Amino acid sequence: GNSVTQMEGPVTLSEEAFLTINCTYTATGYPSLFWYVQYPGEGLQLLLKATKADDKGSNKGFEATYRKETTSFHLEKGSVQVSDSAVYFCALSDQKGSSNTGKLIFGQGTTLQVKP
Amino acid sequence: KAGVTQTPRYLIKTRGQQVTLSCSPISGHRSVSWYQQTPGQGLQFLFEYFSETQRNKGNFPGRFSGRQFSNSRSEMNVSTLELGDSALYLCASSFGSRFPDREENFGPGTRLTVT
Repeated sequence: GNSVTQMEGPVTLSEEAFLTINCTYTATGYPSLFWYVQYPGEGLQLLLKATKADDKGSNKGFEATYRKETTSFHLEKGSVQVSDSAVYFCALSDQKGSSNTGKLIFGQGTTLQVKP
Repeated sequence: KAGVTQTPRYLIKTRGQQVTLSCSPISGHRSVSWYQQTPGQGLQFLFEYFSETQRNKGNFPGRFSGRQFSNSRSEMNVSTLELGDSALYLCASSFGSRFPDREENFGPGTRLTVT
């Protein structure tokens, strides 16, 4: 079945460091790919998305490119801030045959801690 | 526009009891999905509703059920609670019906603790 694998955390960085969180996926068809962020005590917020190969999603300085050849959707940010400390989830839209199911499959999440 | 609201935010129940959680989607959204989040299993899909019809169901026992009303509000029910049902239950609403036109907007969740 379809699945998402994220790099294990926690990831600890100093402020203004470069961030990469790796995400690879296994899927049939052409899923949409997402990054969600969860701050302590809150629900998930959509950070960015990409719906087809070579699309780049971007928001708030974060970006990720849909790479079909490597089945990856790595999250990057050039300069992290303390306020970026949160849990980041990579997700894909599930499909059965030729139709999508309306269901998201999530990775296990990566905790990012940014120190001043 | 108001976001997805979930009530209650926190709940403590005893094993064997049942519980009902409520979700009000963003105005105009007809699709509602539910997810369970636990430290061990991560985020797992429970069900999806669109225009009062359950379109998809995840791999959960029959003790987990849900419904959607004509105003798109949704409820999920868990009967005969077990300790393992302790989790954060997240509701998401979407305007679009299918991916790629669909974007899940999550609520803050209901934290259920079963003792």
